[in-house]
Amino acid sequence: QLQLQESGPGLVKPSETLSLTCTVSGDSISTRNYYWGWIRQSSGKRLEWIGSIYYSGSTYYNPSLQSRVTISVDTSKSHFSLKLNSVTAADTAVYYCARHSSPLAAAYDPWGQGTLVTVAS
Amino acid sequence: NFVLTQPHSVSASPGQTVTISCARSSGNIARYYVQWYQQRPGSAPTTVIYENNQRPSGVPDRFSGSIDSSSNSASLTISGLKTEDEADYFCQSYDNTNQLFGGGTKLTVL
Repeated sequence: QLQLQESGPGLVKPSETLSLTCTVSGDSISTRNYYWGWIRQSSGKRLEWIGSIYYSGSTYYNPSLQSRVTISVDTSKSHFSLKLNSVTAADTAVYYCARHSSPLAAAYDPWGQGTLVTVAS
Repeated sequence: NFVLTQPHSVSASPGQTVTISCARSSGNIARYYVQWYQQRPGSAPTTVIYENNQRPSGVPDRFSGSIDSSSNSASLTISGLKTEDEADYFCQSYDNTNQLFGGGTKLTVL
């Protein structure tokens, strides 16, 4: 059974870089036709797609975040990572990783449990 | 860009049927698949409908999805409501460069 688990610091200072990793277990991260995405949810409950990556390294980013986001994949470690730089309080959210079968069109399934990241000094 | 607008909340009694709407502000609703997610408190979202009207395995047939080109909107209908259906529901769709979620609808089963 495919499982995803987010990990990383729960507190990041303003202007610094948020770094999270999503570890995939129960299936290969290199499975063709699947993409691996990051989604966040603010306290107001709105969900926002951050970006996605294919095992080959092809990336797709939300245009509104593209200038600050880098997503990478390490197939040898079966994980993919998110870096969001120059963070502000507006980046405080629960960050989820999830699998989907198209960079834009497909549903996310499954999701990780999510990890809360707070941006504060 | 486009926006997906959902009602903030809906409520109904057990056994009744409820419909949650998702209006797309621009772009043809029929051109881009719509997904629906259920999120219970403290949990990650799970898919209840994908590709407008497809149910993942394990989702009961009480859940159904549809699109209406005349109103440029999608709908999630839950029939035979159960107390366990009480949750937040989100629609999701995309265009050529981005994907967006609706603001979410809180379903209360009274």
